[in-house]
Amino acid sequence: GAVVSQHPSRVICKSGTSVKIECRSLDFQATTMFWYRQFPKKSLMLMATSNEGSKATYEQGVEKDKFLINHASLTLSTLTVTSAHPEDSSFYICSARGGLGYEQYFGPGTRLTVT
Amino acid sequence: GIQVEQSPPDLILQEGANSTLRCNFSDSVNNLQWFHQNPWGQLINLFYIPSGTKQNGRLSATTVATERYSLLYISSSQTTDSGVYFCAPGRPDSNYQLIWGAGTKLIIKP
Repeated sequence: GAVVSQHPSRVICKSGTSVKIECRSLDFQATTMFWYRQFPKKSLMLMATSNEGSKATYEQGVEKDKFLINHASLTLSTLTVTSAHPEDSSFYICSARGGLGYEQYFGPGTRLTVT
Repeated sequence: GIQVEQSPPDLILQEGANSTLRCNFSDSVNNLQWFHQNPWGQLINLFYIPSGTKQNGRLSATTVATERYSLLYISSSQTTDSGVYFCAPGRPDSNYQLIWGAGTKLIIKP
């Protein structure tokens, strides 16, 4: 149980284009979803927290107009990187928690390369 | 905000060895998870352990919340145990957010 999928696993895009990453909870309803960014050999950095049907709460320093988050249903959240630039290249990971529990379950991550 | 320190930062062991990873946090927390990030980047839940002791096979964890630390024990290490181990306590009064330590990178040699 508690499986989270993420798609795509790897994407290469040209500078100036937009990329959408999907995060799905497969066997539970995700009350809250989280988006993280991880730089090489570093820990996870929380970008934003989203509750189903509500606007995402972004961490300080994260541009909400650049990283658009939609949590339209209890099983799906999307992160769109708009007008991507090479410095947006990174490993993006989503997680989800369900019900009243604290535990977060993680997707396998998406490696974004902007050329 | 709460600070999380993990030690050691790096650990290299031979297959079959035992190890103890430590996580210190600077303030009271209401939950804590341990994760293993494998070489492909997938984070795997090991333990949800806000207090007490839990065991799962060769792994066990203990959190002493009053003294603000948690320990992860790995016994009879296998090469598949290699990766980065993260401790992540929950932010108090937050939307279930986690605070991340820098991790312990474990390499198990055959």
